[in-house]
Amino acid sequence: GAVVSQHPSWVICKSGTSVKIECRSLDFQATTMFWYRQFPKQSLMLMATSNEGSKATYEQGVEKDKFLINHASLTLSTLTVTSAHPEDSSFYICSAASPSGSPDEQYFGPGTRLTVT
Amino acid sequence: DQQVKQNSPSLSVQEGRISILNCDYTNSMFDYFLWYKKYPAEGPTFLISISSIKDKNEDGRFTVFLNKSAKHLSLHIVPSQPGDSAVYFCAASANRAGGTSYGKLTFGQGTILTVHP
Repeated sequence: GAVVSQHPSWVICKSGTSVKIECRSLDFQATTMFWYRQFPKQSLMLMATSNEGSKATYEQGVEKDKFLINHASLTLSTLTVTSAHPEDSSFYICSAASPSGSPDEQYFGPGTRLTVT
Repeated sequence: DQQVKQNSPSLSVQEGRISILNCDYTNSMFDYFLWYKKYPAEGPTFLISISSIKDKNEDGRFTVFLNKSAKHLSLHIVPSQPGDSAVYFCAASANRAGGTSYGKLTFGQGTILTVHP
């Protein structure tokens, strides 16, 4: 299958700072990427859909001004957690969809563990 | 509102026996279902999927059954192997091309499968 990378794999930051997480599709072009977060022992919750060259679409209850998403190229989407607080500590996972858009061809990154102190 | 539910947090099975993981959904718009395997600190890996026009799909040791009337699907792993030990997520999608939900996945909470040698 295709490869999706995330960077960093883990990050610790102080409350009030901002953190940027990168999601890259390494061997295919992804017009659509998705951002999820997962709390311990819970489901992956879709946060937003990121489309290359356009504004992200956020799910209900997700603050778009807090979780800034940029999809500047067909291989890179970034999620910036602004003014992070301890409650933002979570596991953030991105996925990249192949051009077909088929759910079968949606490839997940390894995730980024964010800890806000 | 948990639209996809995996009511068994964990399952323990002996090597060589069958593992049956269950998933229920409530949203009648879902028409495509997927199973993922996930290891700690990694992203989900696609296992198998099924469209709502089918009631069974098989791929090697993995078989997914769909009962639309009951809004229930299950994943059978036969024979189970210790390497199958992981968290299994079911996911659902309203897979209508061109629709705003295309490619968006709703995940269950996951079931931890442990296969004992």
